[in-house]
Amino acid sequence: DAKTTQPNSMESNEEEPVHLPCNHSTISGTDYIHWYRQLPSQGPEYVIHGLTSNVNNRMASLAIAEDRKSSTLILHRATLRDAAVYYCILNSLGLDKLVFGAGTILRVKS
Amino acid sequence: DTGVSQDPRHKITKRGQNVTFRCDPISEHNRLYWYRQTLGQGPEFLTYFQNEAQLEKSRLLSDRFSAERPKGSFSTLEIQRTEQGDSAMYLCASSIRSTSHTEAFFGQGTRLTVV
Repeated sequence: DAKTTQPNSMESNEEEPVHLPCNHSTISGTDYIHWYRQLPSQGPEYVIHGLTSNVNNRMASLAIAEDRKSSTLILHRATLRDAAVYYCILNSLGLDKLVFGAGTILRVKS
Repeated sequence: DTGVSQDPRHKITKRGQNVTFRCDPISEHNRLYWYRQTLGQGPEFLTYFQNEAQLEKSRLLSDRFSAERPKGSFSTLEIQRTEQGDSAMYLCASSIRSTSHTEAFFGQGTRLTVV
C-alpha cells in the first residue's frame, strides 16, 4: 500500500482557513487521494477525494500538486466542529480497503 | 436507512471470555469492512467481505478472531478467549464495489474493554 506522510498536529483559529498537507511521493498512476476525518468518539467520515485535478465540495477543497506527490486539504473557514483527526489515504480504483496512517490532529481555537 | 449501525456500542468483558459484535451495513452496500482502532492510532484493517465472501484477512486477525457475513447482509465479529490486548474500538464500514471511487461509510464502533 502506498504511504502518506502528514504532520502529527496542527492548530487553527476559528473562521480562518486551514491547509492540511499530505506527502505521497510513491503514489502510482491509479491511486486516488482520499481524505477522511474522525471526530471525537465517532467513526471516520469521508471528506473528499481526487485523482489529478483540484476538487471542491461542500465540506472542503483538495489541491493536488502537478506531479501528484503531495496534496493539501483546505477547510475554507474552520469551525470548532472541524476539530478532528484528518487522514490522507491513497487507494487504487475499486476501494479494496482503506489503509489509515496516524493522521493529523486538527485543533481549532475560538 | 440510517447508516451503518454497530451493536453493542460498549462491551466490558473478563479476560478469557468470548465476545461477539454485530454490524448492519447500509442495505445496498455489497462490501463490508472491519477495522480495529487503539487510542491515538488510526484504524487498522482487519478483514473485508464482498457479499458473503471474505476476500481478505489481515495478519492482525489471529486465530481467535472470526468474522462472518452469512447472507451478505449483516456481519459478526467474534473474539474468543479475549486478552487485555484486544481492548480497542472495533469499527465496521460498508461501501459499494465499483471500478471508480466509492465512499466508505463507518459505524460509530464498538468499544471493547477486557479486564
